[in-house]
Amino acid sequence: DVKVTQSSRYLVKRTGEKVFLECVQDMDHENMFWYRQDPGLGLRLIYFSYDVKMKEKGDIPEGYSVSREKKERFSLILESASTNQTSMYLCASRSLGRHRGGYEQYFGPGTRLTVT
Amino acid sequence: KNQVEQSPQSLIILEGKNCTLQCNYTVSPFSNLRWYKQDTGRGPVSLTIMTFSENTKSNGRYTATLDADTKQSSLHITASQLSDSASYICVVRGYSTLTFGKGTMLLVSP
Repeated sequence: DVKVTQSSRYLVKRTGEKVFLECVQDMDHENMFWYRQDPGLGLRLIYFSYDVKMKEKGDIPEGYSVSREKKERFSLILESASTNQTSMYLCASRSLGRHRGGYEQYFGPGTRLTVT
Repeated sequence: KNQVEQSPQSLIILEGKNCTLQCNYTVSPFSNLRWYKQDTGRGPVSLTIMTFSENTKSNGRYTATLDADTKQSSLHITASQLSDSASYICVVRGYSTLTFGKGTMLLVSP
């Protein structure tokens, strides 16, 4: 089975702190994604990566950056956390069809981040 | 603009009853439509995927339908169980886009 793991299930940080959210997938997927999920707004795409060292802005990239130095790992960075970044963060990965699962996105369990 | 609208926003049903969730979309061109189930505090998990040529697909007690002409999909849950309580998210893929609905929150009550 495809497995997408995220470094923390729950995280509490202070305003202004630099925050790293890590995501690892074990299926050699090329594409990886970071979303945030807020009540009434659904999932919104922050950043995605087509492959190693490649990144593209999603719909709401402001206040975030990403890093993809290795194929299996995609990091989301909050340079200076703010209270409006309190949210559920979901990582997903997707193959380009050469692997199991075709184009399906597989989601991690999520990280509930609270910024106080 | 690509949009995916789900209804109802939330739903409460008694255990054992059936229910139907709706998804209307304006994504064009259309590639496929997925229904995801998201348990509270978890990531979404795919239930079904439907392409243009498919109009019904089942996964156990879940049956999804697709009408590509009217751009509507439904997810029917039969003989609901307490474990069906979750958010159900409709996701429509276009040529190079992925559009998420806001989800329907289902609560199955004993």
